[in-house]
Amino acid sequence: GQSLEQPSEVTAVEGAIVQINCTYQTSGFYGLSWYQQHDGGAPTFLSYNGLDGLEETGRFSSFLSRSDSYGYLLLQELQMKDSASYFCAVRDHGQAGTALIFGKGTTLSVSS
Amino acid sequence: DTAVSQTPKYLVTQMGNDKSIKCEQNLGHDTMYWYKQDSKKFLKIMFSYNNKELIINETVPNRFSPKSPDKAHLNLHINSLELGDSAVYFCASSQDTEYEQYFGPGTRLTVT
Repeated sequence: GQSLEQPSEVTAVEGAIVQINCTYQTSGFYGLSWYQQHDGGAPTFLSYNGLDGLEETGRFSSFLSRSDSYGYLLLQELQMKDSASYFCAVRDHGQAGTALIFGKGTTLSVSS
Repeated sequence: DTAVSQTPKYLVTQMGNDKSIKCEQNLGHDTMYWYKQDSKKFLKIMFSYNNKELIINETVPNRFSPKSPDKAHLNLHINSLELGDSAVYFCASSQDTEYEQYFGPGTRLTVT
């Protein structure tokens, strides 16, 4: 089966940099996705890593090391609006799976 | 334009009742999903549909039945509601790849 581990909470101040780690265990690996969810809102797609290395999208970057079964989401120049839950996710390896298995989420609190 | 919409946004009902949640996507995507998010924010896949065919049916009680009248709609019908069904239910869709999914706003179901 699949399992993902990520910290439950992270706190930081505005302008800082924070890294949210994700380790995974899967029977087949097709890449690591990251989603953001604000309280009361829907999950929104942030990034995807199918290959090793760093993917950058504005203030957010995501990294993957397949040999270590490890990835992280890096948030730079933190803003108050970045306070949200962040989920890493991998593809389900079901009978004909195309769904995602999500980690339990990391709650990021940004203070001024 | 709303990409993925769900109705209703809130649903309060009593144990034993039957209820439905509707989902529509106007993105032209081929695959749609239903996720359940519990009070601890754990997001779990329930079903996925591709071209009106059920791909995944996780360990979900058969009281839950997805119904897809066409590619743009995936409704969730729940029979004999139980207290433990209280959660937020998200519909999502994707095209060609599962790692980037578009989520609806969610339906908060409360069973009393």
